[in-house]
Amino acid sequence: NAGVTQTPKFQVLKTGQSMTLQCAQDMNHEYMSWYRQDPGMGLRLIHYSVGAGITDQGEVPNGYNVSRSTTEDFPLRLLSAAPSQTSVYFCASRTGQGWDQPQHFGDGTRLSIL
Amino acid sequence: GENVEQHPSTLSVQEGDSAVIKCTYSDSASNYFPWYKQELGKGPQLIIDIRSNVGEKKDQRIAVTLNKTAKHFSLHITETQPEDSAVYFCAASPYSSASKIIFGSGTRLSIRP
Repeated sequence: NAGVTQTPKFQVLKTGQSMTLQCAQDMNHEYMSWYRQDPGMGLRLIHYSVGAGITDQGEVPNGYNVSRSTTEDFPLRLLSAAPSQTSVYFCASRTGQGWDQPQHFGDGTRLSIL
Repeated sequence: GENVEQHPSTLSVQEGDSAVIKCTYSDSASNYFPWYKQELGKGPQLIIDIRSNVGEKKDQRIAVTLNKTAKHFSLHITETQPEDSAVYFCAASPYSSASKIIFGSGTRLSIRP
């Protein structure tokens, strides 16, 4: 089983460039989310989606856009990259059947903004 | 909003000894507390979780305890092994905001041979 797949694994951007981080899951999960992980700060929620066509902001949404056109995919867009967005990004999914269901994480995208 | 504090940030124990990681939370509405293990280059993986109607839960060498009155919960790993070396995260989720979960800052656990 593939689970949650994130691409690319590594990316270097210049300030001002745009890019899309891809996330796909094959578990038919309704709930998907994006986190960033910075040293000493744990994981912080950027955006999340409770189903296709529905998205909402998390703890640190500024500078990021998301969309959810299908159940499987939840891309994260950086419109104009800034050095403060250098981080490791994780996508996660879980079933919508129960607020206390475990999240499944991808292996992350390591992003550097020069 | 919810705030989760995790201690210690680093922990080194002798192989075979026990390790304990502690977390406190601020929102009394939180009632789901998962623990995640993150190995190098990988995403976090759920290892155990506890709900507010339970005080303790065990799964082989791993146990979690919850004290709702004091708003703290702990992860206990007994008979530690080299493969237990990783970063561990606690988290708390309030039922009223089921789509949001707040993570602690992580504990890097090293097992000395």
